[in-house]
Amino acid sequence: AQKVTQAQTEISVVEKEDVTLDCVYETRDTTYYLFWYKQPPSGELVFLIRRNSFDEQNEISGRYSWNFQKSTSSFNFTITASQVVDSAVYFCALSEATGNQFYFGTGTSLTVIP
Amino acid sequence: DVKVTQSSRYLVKRTGEKVFLECVQDMDHENMFWYRQDPGLGLRLIYFSYDVKMKEKGDIPEGYSVSREKKERFSLILESASTNQTSMYLCASSLAGVRGTGELFFGEGSRLTVL
Repeated sequence: AQKVTQAQTEISVVEKEDVTLDCVYETRDTTYYLFWYKQPPSGELVFLIRRNSFDEQNEISGRYSWNFQKSTSSFNFTITASQVVDSAVYFCALSEATGNQFYFGTGTSLTVIP
Repeated sequence: DVKVTQSSRYLVKRTGEKVFLECVQDMDHENMFWYRQDPGLGLRLIYFSYDVKMKEKGDIPEGYSVSREKKERFSLILESASTNQTSMYLCASSLAGVRGTGELFFGEGSRLTVL
């Protein structure tokens, strides 16, 4: 069965600190997709990144970076030099190859203190 | 811009009332989803639909039904609202399978309070 675990419920950091959000997943599929979404206080979830199971290259986008390791079934998300605008709930998600089913973690609430 | 629109941001209903939550997307997506979001529980799938008039139960379908008469519209129905259905409801859509990026596009959510 598919499952996504985000063990960190809440994290607080001071502005400009780096922070890593952990995501561990379980699946028996060989083809799957991993996602990160951001939910700011306004409520609408915003897509951040998608990774397929055959692409283990790490990715960097500005202050955001993602580390995908199949050996540990992890897809961690790092924010460098955090800013107050990064305060949000972040969800990690897994989808099967058909894209018809998504499995979300319980989310990590990040607070960046000015 | 892609858009998923939920009809109501905030609703207050009484126990036993019938509640309709409407969701419309303008992206010609095949898949549409209804999630419920509760603190500490993340997003839980209620129902999804991969085509007009098609529906599949998610993880927590009890007490809910859905309707998809047109491709762009997916409705969530609470036949007889109960206080334990007080929650944030999120609608999402996506292209089917590998033809899209696979990402979900979300609406702003509907916060339902059942008194």
